[in-house]
Amino acid sequence: GDSVTQMEGPVTLSEEAFLTINCTYTATGYPSLFWYVQYPGEGLQLLLKATKADDKGSNKGFEATYRKETTSFHLEKGSVQVSDSAVYFCALSGTNSGYALNFGKGTSLLVTP
Amino acid sequence: GAGVSQSPSNKVTEKGKDVELRCDPISGHTALYWYRQRLGQGLEFLIYFQGNSAPDKSGLPSDRFSAERTGESVSTLTIQRTQQEDSAVYLCASSSPSGRVAGELFFGEGSRLTVL
Repeated sequence: GDSVTQMEGPVTLSEEAFLTINCTYTATGYPSLFWYVQYPGEGLQLLLKATKADDKGSNKGFEATYRKETTSFHLEKGSVQVSDSAVYFCALSGTNSGYALNFGKGTSLLVTP
Repeated sequence: GAGVSQSPSNKVTEKGKDVELRCDPISGHTALYWYRQRLGQGLEFLIYFQGNSAPDKSGLPSDRFSAERTGESVSTLTIQRTQQEDSAVYLCASSSPSGRVAGELFFGEGSRLTVL
């Protein structure tokens, strides 16, 4: 079945460092891909998405490009801030189960001053 | 409220007891999802509602789990005869008709269930 694999954390970075969180997927067809973020004490929220190959999703300085040839959707940010500390989830959506999302295990990011 | 509301936020119960978890979706959101997150694991899809109909119950782990939804409003996830492996955070999400297709789900903060 469809699945998502993302790098395990926790990831600890200093403020202004470059961030990459790897995500690869296995799917039949052409799913949409997502990054969700969960800040401490809050519910998961959509960070960015891409719906077809070569699309780049971006939001709040984060970017991810839908790479069909490598089945990847890596999350990047050029300069992280302390406020980016959160758990990041990669996800994909097919057309079954009411468009329910398949999530990865999440990657915890801690940014230190 | 403005967001998805779940209650209780924390529940500690004894093995063998029944528990009910409640989800209040965002007003007007027709789709509602339940997920489970065990410690160190990803989100596990349990069930999906479109209105008060549940087209897909395939994710429910066993017949001890059931869920219902009243109209396009509150949903209740019931776990009967709880077991220790049921300990997890249970997440509810809702989505508008257009948001559902776009993959934009709005999540509650979850209900943390601990079975002793």
